[in-house]
Amino acid sequence: ETGVTQSPTHLIKTRGQQVTLRCSSQSGHNTVSWYQQALGQGPQFIFQYYREEENGRGNFPPRFSGLQFPNYSSELNVNALELDDSALYLCASSRGTSGSTDTQYFGPGTRLTVL
Amino acid sequence: AQSVTQLGSHVSVSEGALVLLRCNYSSSVPPYLFWYVQYPNQGLQLLLKYTSAATLVKGINGFEAEFKKSETSFHLTKPSAHMSDAAEYFCAVSVPGGYQKVTFGIGTKLQVIP
Repeated sequence: ETGVTQSPTHLIKTRGQQVTLRCSSQSGHNTVSWYQQALGQGPQFIFQYYREEENGRGNFPPRFSGLQFPNYSSELNVNALELDDSALYLCASSRGTSGSTDTQYFGPGTRLTVL
Repeated sequence: AQSVTQLGSHVSVSEGALVLLRCNYSSSVPPYLFWYVQYPNQGLQLLLKYTSAATLVKGINGFEAEFKKSETSFHLTKPSAHMSDAAEYFCAVSVPGGYQKVTFGIGTKLQVIP
């Protein structure tokens, strides 16, 4: 069973640019969640996708957007990058939704640095 | 809204000693609770989860946690620390219904001293 993979592993951008991060879910998983983990902090929930629809969002501005594809892979897009967007971005996939207790399996993350 | 508070951002124990990492939660409904471990430059791995069944939950690598509703706590323990346990540990909470939003604590970095 293939685990959750993310690309790229590291990325450096400048303020104002746009970035796309990618995630490949674990086989058989139809739900993906994205988290932002700033240095020295716990992960913060950005949003969740279930069967290609966003079904939950945390306290992040609209310039954070996402997509989930029919094969359940996913993208996180961030427009107009700010210095505070520098963080580790984690993707997690799971089998179900609606507050299920299904375990979320995390990828290794993408380290984004905004200069 | 649900939240967790992890007491102690850094904990040091000697190899072979008891590991105790503290977590208190806040939730308006019966919660689901989780402990995750994160090794340097890696994603998070689930250690154990509480989903309203047995209050004492056993996880991987010899860890366990006890859900105590009266104390709103979900502390993580391991009887004997191993060098490989050195990592950062996150307590997290979610609630039934809606979507599976998981709220994490700030993390506790565990140092194991030989």
